Amino acid sequence: NAGVTQTPKFQVLKTGQSMTLQCAQDMNHNSMYWYRQDPGMGLRLIYYSASEGTTDKGEVPNGYNVSRLNKREFSLRLESAAPSQTSVYFCASRDYSTDTQYFGPGTRLTVL
Amino acid sequence: ILNVEQSPQSLHVQEGDSTNFTCSFPSSNFYALHWYRWETAKSPEALFVMTLNGDEKKKGRISATLNTKEGYSYLYIKGSQPEDSATYLCAFEGTGGFKTIFGAGTRLFVKA
Repeated sequence: NAGVTQTPKFQVLKTGQSMTLQCAQDMNHNSMYWYRQDPGMGLRLIYYSASEGTTDKGEVPNGYNVSRLNKREFSLRLESAAPSQTSVYFCASRDYSTDTQYFGPGTRLTVL
Repeated sequence: ILNVEQSPQSLHVQEGDSTNFTCSFPSSNFYALHWYRWETAKSPEALFVMTLNGDEKKKGRISATLNTKEGYSYLYIKGSQPEDSATYLCAFEGTGGFKTIFGAGTRLFVKA
């Protein structure tokens, strides 16, 4: 099993550009999450999807949108990137039988 | 605003030392407390999920305790090894939702 996959691994954008970060899981998990990780701040929740068809805001949703395309895929979109969105983005899915989240490898995004 | 705090921020120990870290979290509306291990250039990996007051979990040389009434958890590493060098994250999960709030982590350095 691939687990949780994310694309791309690295991306550089100019201020104002848009892009979509892709995430997919093959573990048949209902819930999926998007986090950003900044130095000294740990992981902060951007958006989550408790189940297919639902999405909710986390701690830091401003400037982002999400789509739960199907059970496997949960994408994060930056409509107009800002330098403050330079970060490492992690996607995760949750196994409710163990209450454990499984993380993808991360996407390192730089906005110039 | 929910606050999850970890101390110390970083810790340098010698191989063979035993060490412990603290995670403080809200004592109300508690559902679960998670511990993750995060090696540089990798994704966070789950260590423990703790749900009951007084819970103690153990995996090899690593163990954790939980006090939900006072809102803290300790992670212990016995006989630290260089391969234990990593960031250890705790995450609080409250009732009524799927949100997980992470602490900033404790960065452990074990010198051979």
